[in-house]
Amino acid sequence: GAVVSQHPSRVICKSGTSVKIECRSLDFQATTMFWYRQFPKQSLMLMATSNEGSKATYEQGVEKDKFLINHASLTLSTLTVTSAHPEDSSFYICSAPLTGGTEAFFGQGTRLTVV
Amino acid sequence: AQKVTQAQTEISVVEKEDVTLDCVYETRDTTYYLFWYKQPPSGELVFLIRRNSFDEQNEISGRYSWNFQKSTSSFNFTITASQVVDSAVYFCALSEALETSGSRLTFGEGTQLTVNP
Repeated sequence: GAVVSQHPSRVICKSGTSVKIECRSLDFQATTMFWYRQFPKQSLMLMATSNEGSKATYEQGVEKDKFLINHASLTLSTLTVTSAHPEDSSFYICSAPLTGGTEAFFGQGTRLTVV
Repeated sequence: AQKVTQAQTEISVVEKEDVTLDCVYETRDTTYYLFWYKQPPSGELVFLIRRNSFDEQNEISGRYSWNFQKSTSSFNFTITASQVVDSAVYFCALSEALETSGSRLTFGEGTQLTVNP
């Protein structure tokens, strides 16, 4: 089956630094990928839609300058949390659907802790 | 706008009991998909089932079964003879069916299931 790989699985960074999270579709091409965020004991909330070759679409309330998304190839999307603060500590997870498909394949997720 | 409601925040049962997790959804789409995912403490989302809005047949997979009732906009999930390994957070989710949306999901709040030995 389709596999989506997300890296790193866990990262601790200092406040004020930037962190990059990668999401790769391993055996299929994904023109669209989705980035979700999950705070402890809460649901997953869609942050943004990553579009290959064009700008990402951000959900209301998500700062595009803080969460930089790059989808430079058909198999890789990256999320960079810039100038991270403790309140950015969360579980970030990406998903990628097969083109034209209605099923999303999720990465393993990244647990970010900002200290 | 789409919405998914999982009214049960936490459920605790004793092993071998049956347990039903409720899910109610709202959507204006006539074509849509419903999902259930399991999230163990590791955080990874484990896909359990996908159901499209035109298929109201109930489904059984081992100890798991799903009851889709379009008339009440519900998609409930039952675990029969629960086991300790079933302990996890379970999410119900809804997606648009438009090809261009590529299945962006709206998740419910999740139900924390604890199965005690």
